Amino acid sequence: DAGVTQSPTHLIKTRGQQVTLRCSPISGHKSVSWYQQVLGQGPQFIFQYYEKEERGRGNFPDRFSARQFPNYSSELNVNALLLGDSALYLCASSLNPTSGYQQFFGPGTRLTVL
Amino acid sequence: DQQVKQNSPSLSVQEGRISILNCDYTNSMFDYFLWYKKYPAEGPTFLISISSIKDKNEDGRFTVFLNKSAKHLSLHIVPSQPGDSAVYFCAASAQSGGSNYKLTFGKGTLLTVNP
Repeated sequence: DAGVTQSPTHLIKTRGQQVTLRCSPISGHKSVSWYQQVLGQGPQFIFQYYEKEERGRGNFPDRFSARQFPNYSSELNVNALLLGDSALYLCASSLNPTSGYQQFFGPGTRLTVL
Repeated sequence: DQQVKQNSPSLSVQEGRISILNCDYTNSMFDYFLWYKKYPAEGPTFLISISSIKDKNEDGRFTVFLNKSAKHLSLHIVPSQPGDSAVYFCAASAQSGGSNYKLTFGKGTLLTVNP
């Protein structure tokens, strides 16, 4: 079975631009979470979605938004990019939010903002 | 304020010996603890977990110990193998908002197992 997939693998943007990252969860998983990992830090929670509804949000500005589609895939959007948004963006899936402690991660999208 | 702390950025051990990775937490609401392993250019891979109602969980070469009174957990790898060389993240989970289990991660410990 395929694991969590993310696209693109790498992305380079300039300050002020907008970016969209995509994630497909493991088949049968209905919950998707997004994390940001900056160099030297652990992943930091951004959003959790379940059944197309936002179930949790971390301490990130409104420039960050996400959505989940009927097939449970998800997109993370970041507007007005800043240099500090450069990071590895990880998507994780789980069966549902209450089994979210066992989350399975994708390989991530490496975003570089110049 | 960092709720999950891994105070050792790196650890080096000899093949065949025991590796002990430590983690401290401050939030008493955490009810589940996990260890993830991460290789470069890959996402974190789930390794082992423990519920807050237990004090030990074992899976093959990996054992996690939880000391709730000290708010401390540790991961033991015996025997260590060169393929275990990776960054290890400690993570904790607490139900919030009634239906959301977000993971809070430490900064990670780079384990190097020397042949």
